[in-house]
Amino acid sequence: GAVVSQHPSRVICKSGTSVKIECRSLDFQATTMFWYRQFPKQSLMLMATSNEGSKATYEQGVEKDKFLINHASLTLSTLTVTSAHPEDSSFYICSARVPSGGGGTDTQYFGPGTRLTVL
Amino acid sequence: GQNIDQPTEMTATEGAIVQINCTYQTSGFNGLFWYQQHAGEAPTFLSYNVLDGLEEKGRFSSFLSRSKGYSYLLLKELQMKDSASYLCAVRGPGGYQKVTFGTGTKLQVIP
Repeated sequence: GAVVSQHPSRVICKSGTSVKIECRSLDFQATTMFWYRQFPKQSLMLMATSNEGSKATYEQGVEKDKFLINHASLTLSTLTVTSAHPEDSSFYICSARVPSGGGGTDTQYFGPGTRLTVL
Repeated sequence: GQNIDQPTEMTATEGAIVQINCTYQTSGFNGLFWYQQHAGEAPTFLSYNVLDGLEEKGRFSSFLSRSKGYSYLLLKELQMKDSASYLCAVRGPGGYQKVTFGTGTKLQVIP
């Protein structure tokens, strides 16, 4: 199956610093990637849709200047949390859309997630 | 918009069968997913339904009725390792085909 990786898996940073999270599709090209955030005991909340070569589409209530998304290539999307604060501490998960060529399932595969802790 | 409802928690016995229901109301529909998520881990893909009917994949089956806005995930021969949250997610219309997740059903399998 399709493999999506994320780096780093865990990060602890001081309040006010910026953190970059990478999402890569390892064995396929992903024109569309999605960034989710999940707080403890809650479901995944879509933050933004990342499109290769164009601006990301942000969900209502998500600050685009705080959560910078760059989809520079067909295999890499990055999420930068700028000026992080303790309330940004969460589990950040990316997913990549796998096209359904050849009769396969058009679905999304998730990266392993990045746990961000802001002190 | 989209609204997805699932039971919050369920408990079932090892070796038994459990059915997890999901109802949805959407402004557009382009498929329904079921994912399994263990605590502290990312979701893993289980199934995808876009047409009405039952899709079977080993111990897991998923059913969809588009006219009723209803799906269920059926788990047979439950194992302890099946204890996890099960997320129902609906893909919307449009070019980006955004996927919206329900709050998930936490399943506990007991001996």
